[in-house]
Amino acid sequence: EAGVTQFPSHSVIEKGQTVTLRCDPISGHDNLYWYRRVMGKEIKFLLHFVKESKQDESGMPNNRFLAERTGGTYSTLKVQPAELEDSGVYFCASSQAPNTEAFFGQGTRLTVV
Amino acid sequence: AQSVTQPDIHITVSEGASLELRCNYSYGATPYLFWYVQSPGQGLQLLLKYFSGDTLVQGIKGFEAEFKRSQSSFNLRKPSVHWSDAAEYFCAVGSNYQLIWGAGTKLIIKP
Repeated sequence: EAGVTQFPSHSVIEKGQTVTLRCDPISGHDNLYWYRRVMGKEIKFLLHFVKESKQDESGMPNNRFLAERTGGTYSTLKVQPAELEDSGVYFCASSQAPNTEAFFGQGTRLTVV
Repeated sequence: AQSVTQPDIHITVSEGASLELRCNYSYGATPYLFWYVQSPGQGLQLLLKYFSGDTLVQGIKGFEAEFKRSQSSFNLRKPSVHWSDAAEYFCAVGSNYQLIWGAGTKLIIKP
Protein backbone atom coordinates (compact mmCIF):
# COMPACT_ATOMS: atom_id res chain seq x y z
CA GLU A 1 0.00 0.00 0.00
CA ALA A 2 1.40 3.38 -0.96
CA GLY A 3 2.06 5.85 1.81
CA VAL A 4 1.50 9.57 1.75
CA THR A 5 3.31 11.09 -1.19
CA GLN A 6 4.21 14.69 -1.72
CA PHE A 7 5.32 16.51 -4.86
CA PRO A 8 7.72 18.00 -5.50
CA SER A 9 10.32 16.95 -2.98
CA HIS A 10 12.17 20.22 -3.49
CA SER A 11 11.20 23.54 -5.01
CA VAL A 12 13.26 26.68 -5.43
CA ILE A 13 11.37 29.75 -6.57
CA GLU A 14 11.89 33.47 -6.66
CA LYS A 15 10.10 35.84 -4.36
CA GLY A 16 6.80 36.86 -5.90
CA GLN A 17 6.32 33.66 -7.86
CA THR A 18 3.63 31.09 -7.29
CA VAL A 19 4.21 27.53 -6.12
CA THR A 20 1.78 24.67 -5.74
CA LEU A 21 2.53 21.73 -3.50
CA ARG A 22 0.65 18.49 -3.84
CA CYS A 23 -0.17 15.78 -1.35
CA ASP A 24 -1.62 12.37 -2.14
CA PRO A 25 -2.91 10.78 1.07
CA ILE A 26 -3.25 7.10 1.76
CA SER A 27 -6.27 5.78 -0.09
CA GLY A 28 -9.38 5.82 2.09
CA HIS A 29 -8.04 8.35 4.57
CA ASP A 30 -10.65 11.06 4.99
CA ASN A 31 -8.46 13.23 7.19
CA LEU A 32 -5.63 15.21 5.65
CA TYR A 33 -3.37 17.65 7.43
CA TRP A 34 -0.78 20.18 6.34
CA TYR A 35 2.12 21.23 8.56
CA ARG A 36 5.09 23.49 8.00
CA ARG A 37 8.54 23.66 9.52
CA VAL A 38 10.35 26.92 8.99
CA MET A 39 14.11 26.50 9.20
CA GLY A 40 15.29 25.96 12.75
CA LYS A 41 11.84 26.29 14.24
CA GLU A 42 9.05 24.03 15.36
CA ILE A 43 6.69 22.21 13.06
CA LYS A 44 3.44 24.16 12.93
CA PHE A 45 -0.06 22.98 12.09
CA LEU A 46 -1.56 24.69 9.05
CA LEU A 47 -4.91 23.07 8.38
CA HIS A 48 -7.05 19.96 8.50
CA PHE A 49 -9.37 18.58 5.84
CA VAL A 50 -12.11 16.05 6.38
CA LYS A 51 -12.80 14.76 2.91
CA GLU A 52 -13.09 17.91 0.81
CA SER A 53 -14.09 20.22 3.67
CA LYS A 54 -11.73 22.40 5.66
CA GLN A 55 -12.26 21.35 9.26
CA ASP A 56 -9.74 23.73 10.74
CA GLU A 57 -7.55 26.25 8.95
CA SER A 58 -6.52 28.20 12.00
CA GLY A 59 -2.85 27.65 11.32
CA MET A 60 -2.76 29.16 7.84
CA PRO A 61 -0.37 32.10 8.12
CA ASN A 62 -2.10 34.53 5.76
CA ASN A 63 -4.21 34.82 2.64
CA ARG A 64 -1.28 34.11 0.36
CA PHE A 65 -1.81 30.46 1.21
CA LEU A 66 -4.67 28.53 -0.36
CA ALA A 67 -5.35 24.86 0.27
CA GLU A 68 -7.80 22.75 -1.66
CA ARG A 69 -8.89 19.16 -1.68
CA THR A 70 -11.22 18.73 -4.59
CA GLY A 71 -13.15 15.47 -4.50
CA GLY A 72 -11.68 14.58 -1.15
CA THR A 73 -8.66 12.86 -2.62
CA TYR A 74 -5.38 14.67 -3.16
CA SER A 75 -4.75 18.13 -1.79
CA THR A 76 -2.85 21.13 -3.06
CA LEU A 77 -1.32 24.00 -1.14
CA LYS A 78 -0.67 27.08 -3.23
CA VAL A 79 1.48 29.98 -2.14
CA GLN A 80 0.90 33.13 -4.16
CA PRO A 81 2.94 35.29 -4.15
CA ALA A 82 5.72 33.56 -2.30
CA GLU A 83 7.79 35.50 0.22
CA LEU A 84 11.21 34.72 1.68
CA GLU A 85 9.72 33.75 5.04
CA ASP A 86 7.68 31.01 3.37
CA SER A 87 10.83 28.91 2.99
CA GLY A 88 10.71 25.68 4.93
CA VAL A 89 9.55 22.09 4.78
CA TYR A 90 5.87 21.47 4.19
CA PHE A 91 4.54 18.19 5.51
CA CYS A 92 1.31 16.48 4.67
CA ALA A 93 -0.26 13.72 6.75
CA SER A 94 -3.38 11.62 6.53
CA SER A 95 -5.40 9.45 8.89
CA GLN A 96 -8.55 7.37 8.79
CA ALA A 97 -10.09 9.33 11.65
CA PRO A 98 -9.02 12.05 14.09
CA ASN A 99 -6.95 10.73 16.97
CA THR A 100 -5.86 7.71 15.01
CA GLU A 101 -2.33 7.49 13.75
CA ALA A 102 -1.50 10.03 11.10
CA PHE A 103 0.97 8.99 8.44
CA PHE A 104 3.30 11.63 7.12
CA GLY A 105 4.78 12.23 3.72
CA GLN A 106 8.46 12.95 3.26
CA GLY A 107 7.80 16.67 2.96
CA THR A 108 8.40 19.32 0.33
CA ARG A 109 11.36 21.58 0.92
CA LEU A 110 10.47 25.02 -0.38
CA THR A 111 13.16 27.64 -0.83
CA VAL A 112 12.17 31.16 -1.79
CA VAL A 113 15.08 33.26 -3.01
CA ALA B 1 0.62 29.44 26.43
CA GLN B 2 0.82 25.96 25.01
CA SER B 3 4.34 24.87 24.18
CA VAL B 4 6.69 21.92 23.92
CA THR B 5 10.33 22.15 24.90
CA GLN B 6 13.03 19.80 23.74
CA PRO B 7 16.03 21.29 25.49
CA ASP B 8 18.67 19.39 23.54
CA ILE B 9 19.17 20.44 19.93
CA HIS B 10 21.82 17.75 19.38
CA ILE B 11 22.74 14.66 21.34
CA THR B 12 25.68 12.40 20.58
CA VAL B 13 25.83 8.90 22.00
CA SER B 14 27.97 5.87 21.32
CA GLU B 15 26.46 2.89 19.60
CA GLY B 16 25.22 0.50 22.24
CA ALA B 17 24.83 3.19 24.88
CA SER B 18 21.53 4.13 26.46
CA LEU B 19 19.56 7.15 25.32
CA GLU B 20 17.14 9.59 26.90
CA LEU B 21 15.62 12.48 24.98
CA ARG B 22 13.85 15.07 27.05
CA CYS B 23 10.47 16.63 26.39
CA ASN B 24 8.59 19.06 28.60
CA TYR B 25 5.26 20.59 27.74
CA SER B 26 2.85 23.28 28.81
CA TYR B 27 -0.76 22.51 27.99
CA GLY B 28 -4.10 23.44 29.49
CA ALA B 29 -5.44 19.94 29.93
CA THR B 30 -3.95 16.48 29.92
CA PRO B 31 -2.85 16.20 26.33
CA TYR B 32 -2.22 13.41 23.97
CA LEU B 33 1.54 12.95 23.71
CA PHE B 34 3.59 11.74 20.78
CA TRP B 35 7.13 11.05 19.71
CA TYR B 36 7.99 11.08 16.01
CA VAL B 37 11.23 10.34 14.23
CA GLN B 38 12.46 11.65 10.91
CA SER B 39 15.30 9.79 9.29
CA PRO B 40 17.22 11.48 6.47
CA GLY B 41 15.09 11.69 3.34
CA GLN B 42 12.09 10.14 5.05
CA GLY B 43 8.79 11.39 6.37
CA LEU B 44 7.86 11.68 10.01
CA GLN B 45 7.20 8.29 11.57
CA LEU B 46 5.24 7.78 14.77
CA LEU B 47 7.36 6.05 17.43
CA LEU B 48 4.78 5.96 20.20
CA LYS B 49 1.88 7.83 21.71
CA TYR B 50 0.19 8.27 25.06
CA PHE B 51 -3.51 8.89 25.34
CA SER B 52 -4.36 7.48 28.78
CA GLY B 53 -3.68 4.53 31.06
CA ASP B 54 -0.24 3.12 31.80
CA THR B 55 2.19 6.01 31.90
CA LEU B 56 5.03 3.89 30.51
CA VAL B 57 4.45 3.51 26.80
CA GLN B 58 6.20 1.07 24.53
CA GLY B 59 6.82 2.00 20.93
CA ILE B 60 8.45 0.71 17.82
CA LYS B 61 12.16 0.12 17.32
CA GLY B 62 12.70 -0.59 21.03
CA PHE B 63 11.76 2.89 22.22
CA GLU B 64 9.71 3.70 25.28
CA ALA B 65 8.51 6.89 26.92
CA GLU B 66 7.21 7.75 30.35
CA PHE B 67 4.53 10.33 31.02
CA LYS B 68 5.11 12.17 34.30
CA ARG B 69 2.21 14.48 34.97
CA SER B 70 3.85 16.14 37.98
CA GLN B 71 6.83 17.12 35.86
CA SER B 72 4.91 17.78 32.63
CA SER B 73 7.40 15.55 30.90
CA PHE B 74 7.32 12.78 28.33
CA ASN B 75 10.92 11.63 27.94
CA LEU B 76 11.91 9.11 25.31
CA ARG B 77 14.31 6.30 26.17
CA LYS B 78 16.10 3.41 24.54
CA PRO B 79 18.40 1.05 26.44
CA SER B 80 20.87 0.49 23.59
CA VAL B 81 21.04 2.61 20.46
CA HIS B 82 21.96 1.38 17.02
CA TRP B 83 23.60 3.35 14.22
CA SER B 84 20.26 3.28 12.37
CA ASP B 85 18.71 5.36 15.16
CA ALA B 86 20.56 8.43 13.93
CA ALA B 87 17.73 10.80 13.03
CA GLU B 88 15.80 13.78 14.29
CA TYR B 89 13.26 13.18 17.03
CA PHE B 90 10.21 15.30 17.69
CA CYS B 91 7.97 15.44 20.71
CA ALA B 92 4.43 16.68 20.13
CA VAL B 93 1.33 17.26 22.23
CA GLY B 94 -2.26 18.03 21.43
CA SER B 95 -5.44 16.50 20.19
CA ASN B 96 -7.10 15.69 16.89
CA TYR B 97 -3.67 16.11 15.33
CA GLN B 98 -3.68 19.85 15.83
CA LEU B 99 -0.34 19.16 17.35
CA ILE B 100 2.10 21.46 19.07
CA TRP B 101 5.63 20.38 18.30
CA GLY B 102 8.99 20.68 19.93
CA ALA B 103 11.91 22.00 17.92
CA GLY B 104 13.41 18.53 17.55
CA THR B 105 16.53 16.79 18.79
CA LYS B 106 19.10 15.48 16.36
CA LEU B 107 20.61 12.21 17.49
CA ILE B 108 24.16 11.47 16.37
CA ILE B 109 25.57 8.00 16.89
CA LYS B 110 29.29 7.53 17.44
CA PRO B 111 30.69 4.21 16.20
